[in-house]
Amino acid sequence: GAVVSQHPSWVICKSGTSVKIECRSLDFQATTMFWYRQFPKQSLMLMATSNEGSKATYEQGVEKDKFLINHASLTLSTLTVTSAHPEDSSFYICSGWGPRTGGAGNGYTFGSGTRLTVV
Amino acid sequence: QQQVKQSPQSLIVQKGGIPIINCAYENTAFDYFPWYQQFPGKGPALLIAIRPDVSEKKEGRFTISFNKSAKQFSLHIMDSQPGDSATYFCAAGQSGSARQLTFGSGTQLTVLP
Repeated sequence: GAVVSQHPSWVICKSGTSVKIECRSLDFQATTMFWYRQFPKQSLMLMATSNEGSKATYEQGVEKDKFLINHASLTLSTLTVTSAHPEDSSFYICSGWGPRTGGAGNGYTFGSGTRLTVV
Repeated sequence: QQQVKQSPQSLIVQKGGIPIINCAYENTAFDYFPWYQQFPGKGPALLIAIRPDVSEKKEGRFTISFNKSAKQFSLHIMDSQPGDSATYFCAAGQSGSARQLTFGSGTQLTVLP
């Protein structure tokens, strides 16, 4: 089945530094990557949608200069949290979408998530 | 119109019980209704999904019931096991398009041994 590999699975960084999270689609072409943020015991909150080769579309209230998204290829998308602060600590999850045949669901495949802790 | 309402927020059942989680949607353009299972510290994993042309779909111990006229769908877990203890999310989307899924608020299920 389709797999999205997300790294790192957890990261601790100092306040003011930047952190990059990578999501790779291993066996399909992710034309679209969705980036979510999840707080404890809450649902997934969509942060942004990126299409390969285009600028990401950010949801209302999400700072695009703080959460930089790059989707330069059909198999790799990255989220960079710039100048991280403790309030950015959260669980970040990517989800790749790609048109494909074979009945592989509706094309959404989630990464395993990244736990970011900013100290 | 984009909301998906999920209930209950939490659910505790004994092993072997049949927990039922319900979701309701508003947008009639939705035609893809997946359920995801999420364990702590992990990303959501697709459990089962249904399209509105059928009223029920079963995969192993998991069954989705779908009521198109009421715009409701539910997840039933037969013979629940402690290993089923997780958070379950319903979602709704439009098939064949790279549009975002709209997620329910989640149900934390605990299956007691």
